[in-house]
Amino acid sequence: EPEVTQTPSHQVTQMGQEVILRCVPISNHLYFYWYRQILGQKVEFLVSFYNNEISEKSEIFDDQFSVERPDGSNFTLKIRSTKLEDSAMYFCASSEESLGASGMFFGSGTQLSVL
Amino acid sequence: GIQVEQSPPDLILQEGANSTLRCNFSDSVNNLQWFHQNPWGQLINLFYIPSGTKQNGRLSATTVATERYSLLYISSSQTTDSGVYFCAVKRGVTFGTGTRLQVTL
Repeated sequence: EPEVTQTPSHQVTQMGQEVILRCVPISNHLYFYWYRQILGQKVEFLVSFYNNEISEKSEIFDDQFSVERPDGSNFTLKIRSTKLEDSAMYFCASSEESLGASGMFFGSGTQLSVL
Repeated sequence: GIQVEQSPPDLILQEGANSTLRCNFSDSVNNLQWFHQNPWGQLINLFYIPSGTKQNGRLSATTVATERYSLLYISSSQTTDSGVYFCAVKRGVTFGTGTRLQVTL
């Protein structure tokens, strides 16, 4: 069964460092998303991406963040100059349509710890 | 922005019991999804249900968009149903506060 793959599963970094979180969406999906979830809290939308550009972003997604689709399969989230409060689980998701009837599929997440 | 509140926040059931989870939203929406986050953190899409009723096995969902709520029904609950249930609106941009369900033997 097709699935969304995220790497790494865990990332530990020092405050101020840059991290890149990687995602391989389901191959025929056109819409891609990043979310984060601080431990015990609700899921927060960061950004959606379609046709090689950002289609929507939240207030959380400031200049510290960027997304890229460097090739036909990968979708990355870059966090520049990480802060302690960036520690969270980051989820990538993809969908065939713009959240149409086919639904949205999530990866297993990357647990980011900023020390 | 739109507010999405879920109730109850926590629910403990014995295996075999039925339950209803509620999602209220503060503004009109044209799409709504239900997700289950299992105890290992995996998010699984359950339903895309902007309106009407859908069923999938022991789960069913109903959205009454004009009254700004959606319901998720779980029948004959099993321990594997444990986890957190989220509704999300606005094309997945806004998640609800979640209902944490624990099903016991």
